[in-house]
Amino acid sequence: QVQLQESGPGLVKPSQTLSLTCTVSGGSISSGDFYWGWLRQPPGQGPEWIAYIYHSGSTYYNPSLKSRLTISVDTSKNQFSLNLSSVTAADTAVYYCVTVNRSCKDGVCYRGVLDSWGQGTLVTVSS
Amino acid sequence: DIQMAQSPSPLSASVGDRVTFTCQASEDISIFLNWYQQKPGKAPRLLIYAASSLESGVSSRFSGGGSGTDFTFTISSLQPEDIATYFCQQYFTLPLTFGGGTQVEIK
Repeated sequence: QVQLQESGPGLVKPSQTLSLTCTVSGGSISSGDFYWGWLRQPPGQGPEWIAYIYHSGSTYYNPSLKSRLTISVDTSKNQFSLNLSSVTAADTAVYYCVTVNRSCKDGVCYRGVLDSWGQGTLVTVSS
Repeated sequence: DIQMAQSPSPLSASVGDRVTFTCQASEDISIFLNWYQQKPGKAPRLLIYAASSLESGVSSRFSGGGSGTDFTFTISSLQPEDIATYFCQQYFTLPLTFGGGTQVEIK
């Protein structure tokens, strides 16, 4: 299994941009085996899906965050990144990077099996 | 968005008990449902995918079932290390959505 590690500032001021990077080890981001995703989990709540990306650059965003989101992939560094602009206190959460796998039934495949997770990084939005 | 409702929470049981809890989707999601275990301060861990398929390396005392809108998760014999919160998640359609979790406690 691949290993994932999030990195980035733990404190971001309101109205600024939250930027995180996920470094992949134990496999190549270009392998095509997975999509690469981001989720977050506010304190005491369930996880929320943010977005996922393929090594080719194809992206899928949560509509509730899409207007503030950019995700990208850097195959040369085996990393993918998240930028969330105009943050507020509501964006305070533990942010996770994940591998996004698929399962199939009767020849139709659906993507969304989150089978490897980073350890998570807490991002607090506060002045 | 598809809403996922989990019950009960919390759930209190004794070591060795058979424990079952449920997840209900707001519309038909076929079998495209996952179950995750999350211990305090840790990332969620995939246990079951496609409603009933056991992820590699996961104990066989965990099992899942159901299709359509109604799903179950069972621990055949509760162990102390199973104390955690369990989340269901649908992937039939985007956005991916999660239930609110079932917190399993030892009685």
